[in-house]
Amino acid sequence: QKEVEQNSGPLSVPEGAIASLNCTYSDRGSQSFFWYRQYSGKSPELIMFIYSNGDKEDGRFTAQLNKASQYVSLLIRDSQPSDSATYLCAVKRRGSTLGRLYFGRGTQLTVWP
Amino acid sequence: GAGVSQSPSNKVTEKGKDVELRCDPISGHTALYWYRQRLGQGLEFLIYFQGNSAPDKSGLPSDRFSAERTGESVSTLTIQRTQQEDSAVYLCASRRGTGDEKLFFGSGTQLSVL
Repeated sequence: QKEVEQNSGPLSVPEGAIASLNCTYSDRGSQSFFWYRQYSGKSPELIMFIYSNGDKEDGRFTAQLNKASQYVSLLIRDSQPSDSATYLCAVKRRGSTLGRLYFGRGTQLTVWP
Repeated sequence: GAGVSQSPSNKVTEKGKDVELRCDPISGHTALYWYRQRLGQGLEFLIYFQGNSAPDKSGLPSDRFSAERTGESVSTLTIQRTQQEDSAVYLCASRRGTGDEKLFFGSGTQLSVL
């Protein structure tokens, strides 16, 4: 079982819809959870991080964490074509140094006008 | 600089040759990381530098891989006797310091081993 699993997609949603991206992780003691956005040919860019169970909202983005289910998700409301990118889920495991993250393969999102 | 700078952006080499990749972190960032992104795979941690402490090399896949960093400045990742499976995008990231978990990534070096 991989450390971090994501549905590779592609996920395709119409403009204005809610895009839901999901991620599961294997280490129950994982502490920090990150969502990075990566446009084609570009570097990953951090868009959200979450540490505690529940929801965390930032603009059109909401991260949701359920540690009991070892599940983290990212919701993008009012999706825009500019949101089309690959979204990477990353996890910091218990005991690992800051910045040493375990990444999923990414979910490719396409928002069509 | 304004962001993490990596060079070259693309490198094509022949199997068996050595390559050197360079990373210039954001000024003032004490922590520096190298990650590898193979096609269709997640990012894999390679090595981590924090100030003048001994680096965490636990992610290096073989002894053909090595990296150096002098103080809090430029880092180089060297791959000796390259193999085709080394083909990947090599990403460098830096982080400000203690307690701040945000990584800033460079645009990467696309390495192709023929």
